[in-house]
Amino acid sequence: KQEVTQIPAALSVPEGENLVLNCSFTDSAIYNLQWFRQDPGKGLTSLLLIQSSQREQTSGRLNASLDKSSGRSTLYIAASQPGDSATYLCAVSNTNAGKSTFGDGTTLTVKP
Amino acid sequence: NAGVTQTPKFRILKIGQSMTLQCTQDMNHNYMYWYRQDPGMGLKLIYYSVGAGITDKGEVPNGYNVSRSTTEDFPLRLELAAPSQTSVYFCASSYRREENIQYFGAGTRLSVL
Repeated sequence: KQEVTQIPAALSVPEGENLVLNCSFTDSAIYNLQWFRQDPGKGLTSLLLIQSSQREQTSGRLNASLDKSSGRSTLYIAASQPGDSATYLCAVSNTNAGKSTFGDGTTLTVKP
Repeated sequence: NAGVTQTPKFRILKIGQSMTLQCTQDMNHNYMYWYRQDPGMGLKLIYYSVGAGITDKGEVPNGYNVSRSTTEDFPLRLELAAPSQTSVYFCASSYRREENIQYFGAGTRLSVL
């Protein structure tokens, strides 16, 4: 059974810092890995999706990397802004049916 | 473009009551999913569907039922509500293709008292 862990559970940084969020998974036979953002009381918004054959994906100030052999992914946020404050969730799919196993998330607070 | 729409947004049920959570998508996605999210936790898959007429259980299906008579709609039925079903419920959909990016609704916050 796939298990996904995100550390730390919460992170507080001053505005402008570069930061890294971590996601680890136990079964390396994945189909893809997706990073989501969730604002309080809202649904999830997909940020980046990495296929199993890829090493990284980039979108603006966000960069996600994938190392299947070690069962790890990182989400790098450059030059953080208060608007980046949210919970970030990592989800791993082991098949192309999209069934995903989610981590519990990292709650990020960026202070002005 | 509405995306994934869930109704209602909030609901309070008494123990033993039943209700249906509605989910509809207008993106012609074949795949649809129901998740629940308990406070401070990630999402757990309840049921999913890979197309009209096809549904399957996820990680936590007990106490729930689904149907998929059309591509657009994927309702979730709670029978005999219990306090353990207090949670936020999310519906999602994705294309039937390699990328499988999931698009989420805004959620239904359910309390069972």
